[in-house]
Amino acid sequence: QSVLTQPPSVSEAPRQRVTISCSGSSSNIGSYAVNWYQQLPGKPPKLLIYYNDLLPSGVSDRFSGSKSGSSASLAISGLRSEDEADYYCAAWDDRLNAWVFGGGTKLTVL
Amino acid sequence: EVQLVESGGGLVQPGGSLRLSCAASGFTGFPFSRYAMHWVRQAPGRGLEYVSGISTSGDNKYYGDSVKGTVTISRDNSRNTLYLQMGSLRPDDTAVYYCVRQGFCANTNCYKSREFDYWGQGTLVTVPS
Repeated sequence: QSVLTQPPSVSEAPRQRVTISCSGSSSNIGSYAVNWYQQLPGKPPKLLIYYNDLLPSGVSDRFSGSKSGSSASLAISGLRSEDEADYYCAAWDDRLNAWVFGGGTKLTVL
Repeated sequence: EVQLVESGGGLVQPGGSLRLSCAASGFTGFPFSRYAMHWVRQAPGRGLEYVSGISTSGDNKYYGDSVKGTVTISRDNSRNTLYLQMGSLRPDDTAVYYCVRQGFCANTNCYKSREFDYWGQGTLVTVPS
């Protein structure tokens, strides 16, 4: 059981918008920034969103992040087949004194 | 271009030991010695799991709950290399182990928020049951 809770899977049609939630607690998301990672099939993870809502250079602005209280969300608009991947949220946890990840969400573009 | 190349993985019997290495190169602006580094693992078909992290000087080390007491992280800044010494290996340690760089921190306060900006390709550790 992961410290950060994500839905195991989401699916949506091409060109639509989807959101992925990440729920934590006051010892992690409630106190620290959330980062998101995208893992394409057979590849290592790649940074997607940092400091809750910032996009690294080269990442499409179809991706956006937000945080409220002890929860965070990743939104992907204008879905494309190449967005099919696993998405992970991560944050520092004061109680565990370590980084923690969500269990991951598999995105299927129908 | 930043490169993180892991090595040292392989097949090891239960109860055995292994040392993983990560050779870092291509850091621009600031050298390897100015970045915190981490190990993250992924069991086959499973999600990401935090293993361990180390501060720039090596003074501060962090461990995930599932590996506390069985792994030791270290670094050699003169060789631009990160290590993970693993002992008492069990089948549930079977995973791809990724070497990860944390974004540059100008002070200690940002270590708990700064993102993992570069990931290696990973090295597979297999512990049969």
